[in-house]
Amino acid sequence: QLAQSGGGLVQPGGSLRLSCEASGFSFDRYEMNWVRQAPGKGLEWVAHITYSGSLTFYADSVRGRFTISRDNGKSELSLEMKSLRADDTGVYYCVAESPSGYYLDKWGHGTQVTVS
Amino acid sequence: QMTQSPPTLSASVGETISITCRASDITNNWVAWLQQKPGKAPKLLIYKATTLDSGVPSRFSGSGSGTQFTLTISSLQPDDFATYYCHYYDSTSKTFGQGTKVEVK
Repeated sequence: QLAQSGGGLVQPGGSLRLSCEASGFSFDRYEMNWVRQAPGKGLEWVAHITYSGSLTFYADSVRGRFTISRDNGKSELSLEMKSLRADDTGVYYCVAESPSGYYLDKWGHGTQVTVS
Repeated sequence: QMTQSPPTLSASVGETISITCRASDITNNWVAWLQQKPGKAPKLLIYKATTLDSGVPSRFSGSGSGTQFTLTISSLQPDDFATYYCHYYDSTSKTFGQGTKVEVK
């Protein structure tokens, strides 16, 4: 399971931190992602982090403003979001990708972020 | 880039339907299909273009290679009315299709 927390309403230019706690699987064997969905729109990949956290990758739309990180000891994934804009509004999903491939395997329930 | 069609598909229970994704700039079959119902997280159906995820009914199937990939649902069930997304994946990023909403005719 992926239990998400954080999110909420923030003003443009503000900051927010999302968290995702994993249980029921070996978190440190899964590379992790954040995927978001704007209201009424499709899915957009946001960020990726490798097993150890040594490498991170970002969508152009968030690079330089968002930071993905993980704490394997706590089985926790985080997304630090700064300089938030109205078009960052949406539901953010914490997603584990399969160790046997790179496809998105386990999805959190999602958390709402509203920038207004 | 993943170009998915049609955006909307109207169908009846029992029908067989197909959704297509055209891919550009990919050199493998790392394409997955997801199902999403309103207010819920997406659910993995198929990966590596043709492999059914564990627990997914056999009426779902994936096909294709190269630049065109297809999700087929045989004998559509009431629980299948949802939005479907294709997505290309590699080691560092993911790209999604625009989605196809399957609605009741």
